[in-house]
Amino acid sequence: QVQLVESGGGLVKPGGSLGLSCAASGFTFSDYYMTWIRQAPGKGLEWVSQISSDGGAMSYADSVKGRFTISRDNAKNSLYLQMNSLRAEDTAVYYCARLGTLAAAGTYDYWGQGTLVTVSS
Amino acid sequence: DIQMTQSPSSLSASVGDRVTITCRASQGISNYLAWFQQKPGKAPKSLIYATSRLQSGVPSKFSGSGSGTDFTLTISSLQPEDFATYYCQQYNSYPPTFGQGTKVEIK
Repeated sequence: QVQLVESGGGLVKPGGSLGLSCAASGFTFSDYYMTWIRQAPGKGLEWVSQISSDGGAMSYADSVKGRFTISRDNAKNSLYLQMNSLRAEDTAVYYCARLGTLAAAGTYDYWGQGTLVTVSS
Repeated sequence: DIQMTQSPSSLSASVGDRVTITCRASQGISNYLAWFQQKPGKAPKSLIYATSRLQSGVPSKFSGSGSGTDFTLTISSLQPEDFATYYCQQYNSYPPTFGQGTKVEIK
């Protein structure tokens, strides 16, 4: 069965850096686009970043562009998010999710359980 | 960016009720509309994509309709496990955007 397991969240000071990982299993990871989506405490869902199946194309929300970097290692079935220059408003649960295919391309058919990032002094 | 507006923001309903949630896009998105269910402390779960297609394993009590800018999610007979927050999402253009959520509570 498809599994996505995030790790790497924690408490970091404003201006600091943190790296998130997402370990994928149960499907051919290299066939799928992947994404990061976040949810601030008590708030709704916000798309953060997306990467193509071969890692050659990335896109970012304006709110994180220039500060966050998405990457993947298909040999390790892993997705990453490097977050630099963190701000209080980056505090959220970060989910990795798999993009669907065909008619579901562009939406998210499987999600991880999330990892909490707290930016605070 | 395309803005997605859900209504109502919350509703109270009883077991067995028929519930309808509306999602409106700030511009036309064809049928590129998905719905998710999220329970407290859990990740969102995909229910519907392409406006009306059920994800594998999702019961047929959930249905979706609409096109262009106006969409609906209907739960035909609300059960205890359906009390949750529901989000719509457009994927017609980047960035993908979500509605603010509709919380379905027990009356």
